[in-house]
Amino acid sequence: SQTIHQWPATLVQPVGSPLSLECTVEGTSNPNLYWYRQAAGRGLQLLFYSVGIGQISSEVPQNLSASRPQDRQFILSSKKLLLSDSGFYLCAWSWDSAKNIQYFGAGTRLSVL
Amino acid sequence: SQQGEEDPQALSIQEGENATMNCSYKTSINNLQWYRQNSGRGLVHLILIRSNEREKHSGRLRVTLDTSKKSSSLLITASRAADTASYFCATGFQKLVFGTGTRLLVSP
Repeated sequence: SQTIHQWPATLVQPVGSPLSLECTVEGTSNPNLYWYRQAAGRGLQLLFYSVGIGQISSEVPQNLSASRPQDRQFILSSKKLLLSDSGFYLCAWSWDSAKNIQYFGAGTRLSVL
Repeated sequence: SQQGEEDPQALSIQEGENATMNCSYKTSINNLQWYRQNSGRGLVHLILIRSNEREKHSGRLRVTLDTSKKSSSLLITASRAADTASYFCATGFQKLVFGTGTRLLVSP
């Protein structure tokens, strides 16, 4: 069966520090991968998605970047965090672009202080 | 911009009652999905309804779709305290666009 791992679960970082959030998927190959951010009490904002190794589409210009160094690994990064980067970050995968049913990780709660 | 908008934003009911949430979207769709999110957790897919379907059931869930009105509803029958969560509709082909969600509170 397929599983998705996302870590860390919580993170407190000072303004100006770097960020690296990692997401890995097991039990499937060539998944579509997604990074979302969710503000408190709000819906999900798509940040990046990837349909293959090295293929990254950015949805919102911002202080963040994403990379996909391996087929089932998706990394969200920042060189210098801003206060506005605080939020709940979710990684997801899907395998069927037609239906696009997505399977989510448990999320990372990021607080930038 | 958000494709889906859920209504109401929050809903509070007693166990055993039915809960109905509505979603409106703006453009043509191939299908519409509903997801559930427990507080502080990731989303879980509940049900998908295709654009050529009008109604779909899964256990205590009933989803309807009216493409002429660009709207969908999610009905949870005989609700339980464990149904307390946020519910989101989502549409999209390769990229899903999620609504703002309905927060459901089911009290024992």
